[in-house]
Amino acid sequence: DIVMTQTPLSSPVTLGQPASISCRSSQSLVHSNGNTYLSWLQQRPGQPPRLLIYKVSNRFSGVPDRFSGSGAGTDFTLKISRVEAEDVGVYYCMQATHFPRTFGQGTKVEIK
Amino acid sequence: QVQLQESGPGLVKPSQTLSLTCTVSGGSIGSADYYWSWVRQSPGKGLEWIAYIYYSGSAYYSPSLKSRVTISVDTSKNQFSLKVNSVTAADTAVYYCARRELDGDAFDIWGQGTMVTVS
Repeated sequence: DIVMTQTPLSSPVTLGQPASISCRSSQSLVHSNGNTYLSWLQQRPGQPPRLLIYKVSNRFSGVPDRFSGSGAGTDFTLKISRVEAEDVGVYYCMQATHFPRTFGQGTKVEIK
Repeated sequence: QVQLQESGPGLVKPSQTLSLTCTVSGGSIGSADYYWSWVRQSPGKGLEWIAYIYYSGSAYYSPSLKSRVTISVDTSKNQFSLKVNSVTAADTAVYYCARRELDGDAFDIWGQGTMVTVS
C-alpha cells in the first residue's frame, strides 16, 4: 500500500497567520491517465471529514479561497493563507491513484 | 442536496457480524457518476477505507478487510449496506458512509458517522 506521511503532526497557529501542511507519498501519485488523485480533507472536532481539495489543487464547492493545494509527484502541500478559528481540526491527505486508497495520519491545527 | 445517514447497532459482540446501512437522500444512488463507500476511524486514530460499490453492484474491497467484509446496494430503497464478519475489538470504530465522485476520485459527501463498539 502507498504510505502517506504528513508533517507536522501538530501545528499551533496564530489567528490570521498562515499555516502549511505537507504530505509525502511513498510512490508517485501520477496516474496512467495523467491525473494526480490527491485530495485534502478537514475534520473539525466531533464532525465527519469534509472534502476541501481534490486532484491536488481544485477547491471543492463552498470551500473558502484561503485554502489552497499544490504539489506534484510525491510531494504535496495544503496551505491556509490566514487561519480562522473555524479552521481548527485535523487535516488529512488521501491518495486514490493506487489501489487501495490510503490516508495520511493527520495533522492537527490548533490556535496558539 | 445529497445527504447520507448511517444506521445500525452501536454494540456488537466479539465473533458476531456488524451490519450497517447508509440511506441516501436528496439524490439517486443510481447515478452513474458515483461509487458509494464505507470508511472507518478507530478511536483516536486516522481514517481507513473499507469498501465501495457502484449502483450496478460492482464492488471493491480493501485487501486487509476483504475476507470479512461484504458491501451491497439496494437501489429500490436508495440504500447501501456493510457487513463485517467475525468482529474483534479492533473493529471498534466510527463508521462513515461516503460518496466517491469519479472525476476527482475523492469522497465529496460524508454521513455523520455511527460509533460501533465490539464488546
